Amino acid sequence: EPEVTQTPSHQVTQMGQEVILRCVPISNHLYFYWYRQILGQKVEFLVSFYNNEISEKSEIFDDQFSVERPDGSNFTLKIRSTKLEDSAMYFCASSDRGEVQPQHFGDGTRLSIL
Amino acid sequence: TQLLEQSPQFLSIQEGENLTVYCNSSSVFSSLQWYRQEPGEGPVLLVTVVTGGEVKKLKRLTFQFGDARKDSSLHITAAQPGDTGLYLCAGARGGKLIFGQGTELSVKP
Repeated sequence: EPEVTQTPSHQVTQMGQEVILRCVPISNHLYFYWYRQILGQKVEFLVSFYNNEISEKSEIFDDQFSVERPDGSNFTLKIRSTKLEDSAMYFCASSDRGEVQPQHFGDGTRLSIL
Repeated sequence: TQLLEQSPQFLSIQEGENLTVYCNSSSVFSSLQWYRQEPGEGPVLLVTVVTGGEVKKLKRLTFQFGDARKDSSLHITAAQPGDTGLYLCAGARGGKLIFGQGTELSVKP
């Protein structure tokens, strides 16, 4: 069964450094998403992406965050200058059509900011 | 703020018992999805319900979407230790998912 893959599985970064989290969505999917889950808290929406542009973003997704689909298969989340509070699990998801279609999640990247 | 309240947060039962998990909101969702999440892994989709009043069955799991599309329930019949895990509901609104806080289920043999 096709799946969403994310790399790396764990990223440790010094505060203030840039980090790029990578995702390969399911190949025929058109909608892409990033979520994060701080330890012990709910999964929270960050951003959705369709047709090479951001469809919607949450208040968490400030100027320090950006997303890109650099080629036909990858979808990346960049955090420019990481803060301690960015430590979380970051999940990528994709769906094939949109609002009523299920989103399929990767196994996440655990980001630890020191 | 769109909230999805999931209850109970923790549930510990004996093998063979039945249980129900609830997700409630004051907001209407275009669809509602149930996931199961294992430690260190991403949420794995169990089912999507779209139509108000819809009922879907997945072996011993029964999912229901409320008539007004604001609430949902997951009922497990004759729970088994293999059902142990974290169950998440998530409502779809404007393309994003709003998650409940999860139900940590423990089924003891």
